[in-house]
Amino acid sequence: GNSVTQMEGPVTLSEEAFLTINCTYTATGYPSLFWYVQYPGEGLQLLLKATKADDKGSNKGFEATYRKETTSFHLEKGSVQVSDSAVYFCALHGRGGGADGLTFGKGTHLIIQP
Amino acid sequence: GAGVSQSPRYKVAKRGQDVALRCDPISGHVSLFWYQQALGQGPEFLTYFQNEAQLDKSGLPSDRFFAERPEGSVSTLKIQRTQQEDSAVYLCASSLVGRGDNEQFFGPGTRLTVL
Repeated sequence: GNSVTQMEGPVTLSEEAFLTINCTYTATGYPSLFWYVQYPGEGLQLLLKATKADDKGSNKGFEATYRKETTSFHLEKGSVQVSDSAVYFCALHGRGGGADGLTFGKGTHLIIQP
Repeated sequence: GAGVSQSPRYKVAKRGQDVALRCDPISGHVSLFWYQQALGQGPEFLTYFQNEAQLDKSGLPSDRFFAERPEGSVSTLKIQRTQQEDSAVYLCASSLVGRGDNEQFFGPGTRLTVL
């Protein structure tokens, strides 16, 4: 079946540091890939997505590239801010059958210190 | 505009009680999803509706779980004879169209605690 593995948290960085949160997946066929974010006290919201190999999703300074050869979708940002502190979830939607909803990783709690 | 709303926000039930959780999706959204999120875990898919039709219930963990969306708008997730392992946050999400590969808008969740 489909699965998503992302790095364990919490990840603590200083403001303006470079961020990478690793995400790898297992899926049949070629899934669509997503990063969702949950800010403190708020619901999950879509951060970015990519629907085919080599696509790059980007939003709010965050980027992730769909790498079919390594089955990865790592999230990066060049210079983080305190306001980026949140829980980040990598997710996929499979096209080769399986459930109609999203398959999520466990989430990575990111803490940015001023 | 209004987002996805869920009620109640918190529910405490004694083991064996039945509970009903409500979801109001964004107006006009065809697709509706329910997820279960245990503490420290990512959300896990439970079921999917397209309008009033329940097209996928493969994630429902047992026959104690039942969901409906009779008029293609509001949805209710019902859990019968609750057990301690049912304690979790139940999330509802809606999207304009599609089975899951389009942006889903999530509600704040209902935190269920079974004593």
